[in-house]
Amino acid sequence: ETGVTQTPRHLVMGMTNKKSLKCEQHLGHNAMYWYKQSAKKPLELMFVYNFKEQTENNSVPSRFSPECPNSSHLFLHLHTLQPEDSALYLCASGRDTSYEQYFGPGTRLTVT
Amino acid sequence: AQSVTQPDIHITVSEGASLELRCNYSYGATPYLFWYVQSPGQGLQLLLKYFSGDTLVQGIKGFEAEFKRSQSSFNLRKPSVHWSDAAEYFCAVLTTNYGGSQGNLIFGKGTKLSVKP
Repeated sequence: ETGVTQTPRHLVMGMTNKKSLKCEQHLGHNAMYWYKQSAKKPLELMFVYNFKEQTENNSVPSRFSPECPNSSHLFLHLHTLQPEDSALYLCASGRDTSYEQYFGPGTRLTVT
Repeated sequence: AQSVTQPDIHITVSEGASLELRCNYSYGATPYLFWYVQSPGQGLQLLLKYFSGDTLVQGIKGFEAEFKRSQSSFNLRKPSVHWSDAAEYFCAVLTTNYGGSQGNLIFGKGTKLSVKP
């Protein structure tokens, strides 16, 4: 499945680092999403963009900053993260927010 | 509030046996329902979806699911499980705001499937 790609696939960062996660979709979709998946919690929706406009910010700490420059690209900028932010970060896209979502392979983030 | 319940955290079946994974939802309007599968360390792959019409829907990899409004259920089935089906399975309902302009997926906690040789 190459419709939604994510880079990097693995990332290890210290608490003082700044890094960015990238997501790209090749499906012509208008909605894009960031999710966090931790070992002991269900999937948590973080951000939603629909037609490049942020439509949902699910009480996410400000150390996570999304950016959607166009409908095909979505970034998640990370700074001063905590060890509890270690998780699998999944990107998804959909035709718009009223349709099914297609997921990327995820970025496994470890904060040391 | 909208919610999805997958009552089985972990299920083990023998290869070749039939499989049924349970999913119950709570949603006031007509639900849009989905099943996703996730292999270890991977993203979620859409198996099948129900929007309307025939309540028995066919998906990829030989899976099917049946929507039962009276039971608020959308159980996933497969007649003969293969070792490659070992993965985690997530049921989800699409919720929309008034007017339907904004929707979000609500996921269950997942059911992990193990397959015995």
